[in-house]
Amino acid sequence: GAVVSQHPSRVICKSGTSVKIECRSLDFQATTMFWYRQFPKQSLMLMATSNEGSKATYEQGVEKDKFLINHASLTLSTLTVTSAHPEDSSFYICSVLLAASSYNEQFFGPGTRLTVL
Amino acid sequence: AQKVTQAQTEISVVEKEDVTLDCVYETRDTTYYLFWYKQPPSGELVFLIRRNSFDEQNEISGRYSWNFQKSTSSFNFTITASQVVDSAVYFCALSETSGTYKYIFGTGTRLKVLA
Repeated sequence: GAVVSQHPSRVICKSGTSVKIECRSLDFQATTMFWYRQFPKQSLMLMATSNEGSKATYEQGVEKDKFLINHASLTLSTLTVTSAHPEDSSFYICSVLLAASSYNEQFFGPGTRLTVL
Repeated sequence: AQKVTQAQTEISVVEKEDVTLDCVYETRDTTYYLFWYKQPPSGELVFLIRRNSFDEQNEISGRYSWNFQKSTSSFNFTITASQVVDSAVYFCALSETSGTYKYIFGTGTRLKVLA
C-alpha cells in the first residue's frame, strides 16, 4: 500500500482568507493524486485530478481559480482555497494513485477539516 | 455512465445482529474494480476490500463477507454479529479501467449498532 498524509488536519479561517492544504505521499512517488470534498452527511465528490508537472484536471462545476492545485513534485500536491467563504467549509480528502497496482488503487489521506467563519 | 447506488441511507441494528449493506453499480466497461471503505467519525477512510470484475468469488474476512454478483451488478457487504465499533458510514466505490482511474463513490450507508 501507500501512506498518505495531509496537513493541517483541521483549520479554521476567516472569510476572505486563503488556505493551503498539503497532501504528501510518504513512501512512494505519486504521478497522480486526487482531491475530494465531502460535505456533512454526504459522499465524497471528486474535485480534481492532480498530475505531477502539469495542470490539474478539474471536474465540472469546480472553480479552477478558487481551488488552486499544484503538484510540483512526486510526493506533494497542494490545494489552496482562495478567498474562502463559509460555503467552502467542508472535509477535504486527497488520495494518491498507485498506478502499479493491478486495481488502479487509490490510497487516501486522513482528511482536512476546513471551517470558514 | 458509471454510477454506484447505495439505497440504504441509514441502518440501525442491535449488537450481535447480522446486517447487509447493499451496493449496485452501473458501468459499460467489462473490466472494472469495486471497493468498500469504512468511514468512522474521525473521517479517515478505512479500506475494507477490493475486487476486480473477473473475480466473482465471494470473500470472507472475519465477521465481514462480500457477495459479488455480476449478473445483478451488485457487490453487497455483510457484517455478522455486529458490534458497536462497526458503527460508521460505509462507502462502495467503482473504478473503471478506461484511463482516468477515477473512483465513483456511492452515497454511503450510515450504520448504527446499538448496545
